[in-house]
Amino acid sequence: QVQLVQSGADVKEPGASVKVSCKASGYTFSRYYVIWVRQAPGQGLEWMGIVNPSGGSITYAQRFQGRVTVTRDTSTSTVYLDLSSLTSEDTAMYYCARANYDISGYPGYFDSWGQGTLVTVSS
Amino acid sequence: EIVLTQSPGTLSLSPGERATLSCRASQSISSSYLAWYQQKPGQAPRLLIYGASSRASGIADRFIGSGSGTDFTLTISRLEPEDFAVYYCQQYVSSYTFGQGTNLEI
Repeated sequence: QVQLVQSGADVKEPGASVKVSCKASGYTFSRYYVIWVRQAPGQGLEWMGIVNPSGGSITYAQRFQGRVTVTRDTSTSTVYLDLSSLTSEDTAMYYCARANYDISGYPGYFDSWGQGTLVTVSS
Repeated sequence: EIVLTQSPGTLSLSPGERATLSCRASQSISSSYLAWYQQKPGQAPRLLIYGASSRASGIADRFIGSGSGTDFTLTISRLEPEDFAVYYCQQYVSSYTFGQGTNLEI
């Protein structure tokens, strides 16, 4: 079955960077985009970046441009999220999810999710 | 950016009742580009509906998605105890945005 397994919780100081991993299994990794979505405590969902594992093209949400980097390692079927210049407002649960295709072939909706990685930013 | 507004913010119902959740878009979305998710405390979201009305794999038929243009609805025909959760709509016609959520409580 499709599984996305994320790295464990992390605590960072303000100004630091964090790297979160997401290992995919149970499907052909190169065939589906993977997206990163975050959720601040008690808040809604916000997308950050999406990667095409085949070819590596990446699109970032405008509000995170310059601060977020998404990469992938096809040899291990793993996608990574790097977020820099952390502030307390980056304290959130970070999810990766597999994007499935809409009728026009666009990776639109998210049919499998990782368990989430809690990142806490605190001095 | 397309803004999705969900209503009500909180919906209080009992098992066995019918739930109607609304999602309104700031501009027209083709009916093919809207999804609904369920999220329980401490869990990741789970896909319920895509393409406005198609149920995801393994989703019970009491979950019904409908709508087009700017107005979409998720109906849960007869609430089960496990249905009490937060529900989010999401559009994918232009990048990605989520609604702020509806908390369905007992």
